[in-house]
Amino acid sequence: DVVMTQSPLSLPVTLGQPASISCRSSQSLVSSDGNTYLSWFQQRPGQSPRRLIYKVSTRDSGVPDRFSGSGSGTDFTLNISRVEAEDVGFYYCMQGTHWPPWTFGQGTKVEIK
Amino acid sequence: EVQLVESGGGLVQPGGSLRLSCVASGFTFRTYAMYWVRHAPAKGLEWVSSITGSGDGAYYADSVKGRFTLSRDNSKNTLYLQMKGLRAEDTAVYYCTKSFGVWGQGTLVTVSS
Repeated sequence: DVVMTQSPLSLPVTLGQPASISCRSSQSLVSSDGNTYLSWFQQRPGQSPRRLIYKVSTRDSGVPDRFSGSGSGTDFTLNISRVEAEDVGFYYCMQGTHWPPWTFGQGTKVEIK
Repeated sequence: EVQLVESGGGLVQPGGSLRLSCVASGFTFRTYAMYWVRHAPAKGLEWVSSITGSGDGAYYADSVKGRFTLSRDNSKNTLYLQMKGLRAEDTAVYYCTKSFGVWGQGTLVTVSS
């Protein structure tokens, strides 16, 4: 199974400042079809998960452009250009290349300093 | 509007059974694989099970294999997760999701005596 490792696990941030979360996979996530199936999810307190990014860098509809994804192979990053109060919650990466199983990272808690 | 509505959660004793349902609307249900993901208290997201659009193939996490059965009724746009031999560690909010891009509100399963 592919292991997804996120860092940091806790990220205190200042409003208006940038934030970055790293996600590493135990093997390359490049699929035989040439795509890389790495997604990022946000889960606000008391809410269902919401996908922000899929295939490394494609934003879902309605996701603010302050969220961006990058990376390749085994190393990926979610960036928030300017953190807003509504960004508080947990963030998860997930791989969908080598399935089953579909595997998530441990989650990163983003909170305001 | 694409919508997923889960039901069937509740309190059950260890060793007991529950059947979760997920009713889908707003898209051609039979053409999409569907997934269940759970979120246990103070833990991260965990993929549980998936099923093909036609229902002829299902996949399970090792943690639930042999105890959970996923099925679907495409005439009713409904997904079913039959859970047997429930354990305390199955306590979680269970979400159904369409390709991880649309999520239901979740249904809470509590396994306790």
